[in-house]
Amino acid sequence: DIQMTQSPSSLSASVGDRVTISCRPSQYVGKYLNWYQQKPGQAPRLLVLGSSTLQNGVPSRFSGSGSGTDFTLVITTLQVEDFATYYCQQSYRTPFTFGPGTKVDV
Amino acid sequence: KLYAAGPGLVKPSGTLSLSCSVSEGSLIHNKWWTWVRQSPGKGLEWIGEIYYEGSANYNPSLKSRVTMSIDESKKQFFLNLMSVTSADTAVYYCTTKSGSYYNWFDIWGQGIQVTVAS
Repeated sequence: DIQMTQSPSSLSASVGDRVTISCRPSQYVGKYLNWYQQKPGQAPRLLVLGSSTLQNGVPSRFSGSGSGTDFTLVITTLQVEDFATYYCQQSYRTPFTFGPGTKVDV
Repeated sequence: KLYAAGPGLVKPSGTLSLSCSVSEGSLIHNKWWTWVRQSPGKGLEWIGEIYYEGSANYNPSLKSRVTMSIDESKKQFFLNLMSVTSADTAVYYCTTKSGSYYNWFDIWGQGIQVTVAS
């Protein structure tokens, strides 16, 4: 299985901050990397697909980049509604695997 | 939209059975229908997927205990997980896998908490 690591595991931020989250698969995954946002009691929400394509309706303050084994999710100007947990997920090979999550809180 | 349903409590060694209904107006064919679970101990875990015509792929870690099926006419797909233990306690989500080159999970059900306990 492809193991996914994320860093940091949690971070404290304020509204208006720039937030950067890293994801590193244990093997090459090309650009087969997606990002999700999850709030308590809710299902994950797709933010970014194929490493850098924003899902329809996702604000442009979110951006994804990277390839191979090094990926980044950036939130340029953090909003109140962005406080959540973020997960990366590889779709390069089954079993599809998710990162352990990065919790963004105040 | 997707809606998962099933018992919230399953006895150890029993079988966990869940269904997921696809809302009216949605086409069930030409898609992979997927189950993902989330537990505090293991995070988000892909259980497996089933195609509208019945082909399925399962996570090797669960393959010996998992069966998925689909009823296209009822717009429902199903998860059966046998011989459950407390380690199978989790929130279970049904979701769709979209994309023909890159793949992603874009439509999610609400999630259903399943507890394995006597």
